[in-house]
Amino acid sequence: DIVLTQSPDSLAVSLGERATINCKSSQSVFYTSGNKNYLAWFQHKPGQPPKKLIYWASTRESGVPDRFSGSGSGTDFTLTIRNVQAEDVAVYYCHQYYSTPWTFGQGTKVEI
Amino acid sequence: EVQLVQSGSEVKKPGTTLRISCRISGYNFNDYYLHWVRQAPGKGLEWVGLIDPADAERKNAEKFRGRVTLTADTSTDTAYLGLRSLRSDDTAFYYCVRVGGSIGFDHWGQGTLVTVSS
Repeated sequence: DIVLTQSPDSLAVSLGERATINCKSSQSVFYTSGNKNYLAWFQHKPGQPPKKLIYWASTRESGVPDRFSGSGSGTDFTLTIRNVQAEDVAVYYCHQYYSTPWTFGQGTKVEI
Repeated sequence: EVQLVQSGSEVKKPGTTLRISCRISGYNFNDYYLHWVRQAPGKGLEWVGLIDPADAERKNAEKFRGRVTLTADTSTDTAYLGLRSLRSDDTAFYYCVRVGGSIGFDHWGQGTLVTVSS
């Protein structure tokens, strides 16, 4: 199974500052035939289904503010939230869909 | 509009069997895999399993082996998650999720809260 390890577990940022979340995979999630990393980032707020922010490691989902960005390849990935807003308070998960069982990181709680 | 509508909350006793549904609309049921993901209170997201409605191919996480049943009824465009021998640590929100090909999960059900308590 592919294990995803996020850091940090929690993060307190000031409004308008930058938040950076890292995700390290135990195996590469780069799909060579498609030239894509099968790694996504989700935002999860209580009482709601998770919301996908990023897929293919760096492609922003339609409608997601451009202050959210993803980077990385292979086994190391980063989600960056620039200019953090109050509504960004949530738990963020990285997720690999390269191989079953699909897995998630343990989550990073972002607070203001 | 793509929609995944799940059945309502359930309260179950330990040792009993759960069955929750996920009815889709807005697309061809046979064209996309459906997965199940759960989140227990205070815990992270956990993948439960998947089913291909077209041919009923299914896979599930090893920890659920022998307890989980994933089915798909193409006559009603509905997927089902069955979980037997329920335990208190099965208490969680359960989500059905559509897979949009190489982009991964693209549409989520609203979630079904399952509480296992004596």
